[in-house]
Amino acid sequence: GAGVSQSPRYKVTKRGQDVALRCDPISGHVSLYWYRQALGQGPEFLTYFNYEAQQDKSGLPNDRFSAERPEGSISTLTIQRTEQRDSAMYRCASSLQAGTNSPLHFGNGTRLTVT
Amino acid sequence: DAKTTQPNSMESNEEEPVHLPCNHSTISGTDYIHWYRQLPSQGPEYVIHGLTSNVNNRMASLAIAEDRKSSTLILHRATLRDAAVYYCILRDSGRGSTLGRLYFGRGTQLTVWP
Repeated sequence: GAGVSQSPRYKVTKRGQDVALRCDPISGHVSLYWYRQALGQGPEFLTYFNYEAQQDKSGLPNDRFSAERPEGSISTLTIQRTEQRDSAMYRCASSLQAGTNSPLHFGNGTRLTVT
Repeated sequence: DAKTTQPNSMESNEEEPVHLPCNHSTISGTDYIHWYRQLPSQGPEYVIHGLTSNVNNRMASLAIAEDRKSSTLILHRATLRDAAVYYCILRDSGRGSTLGRLYFGRGTQLTVWP
């Protein structure tokens, strides 16, 4: 596709359920990033990958959050035992190369609501 | 992460130039200065970046102070479509594992009046 694709666009789940958010990056992009954005705030870093290797997961809030990118393309962010405080917009981005000069291209996000 | 300071909001009239300031007094020698913007209901969009020299592209210009402790994003002729939140970000090129960690802060909300 032309851009970064995220699915679903909206996810409503009950507290305690597990959710999986999917990101399909721009074809050929080496790096993939996950961010979380609360209303009125800037995006907050969660984790990122180069190819299939997770380079930095220091932004994941706790061990209920995990991410994978097994074949170096599509990535899944999984939240186990969801809590209301997990409600936010989850944004995925990809970049062509791993270096500083390669801009991030963001998807339109998945709006997660935990009731 | 090295932090930046931006005004919470700015206003401009359509077709006038806009200068969006950013202070980054703790910038290190390996930090690049990046600007992104976020239109309502969309993901952030890359605008421009630079290290030491001023930069121009089709969207904007980036003016970097000689001591690199501040920079200014310049929109030469604002349009209604430029109304967005503008983020000034330092991206470290020197520490490999932190390359992906962009710190967005709260940015500057730009309002453009017709």
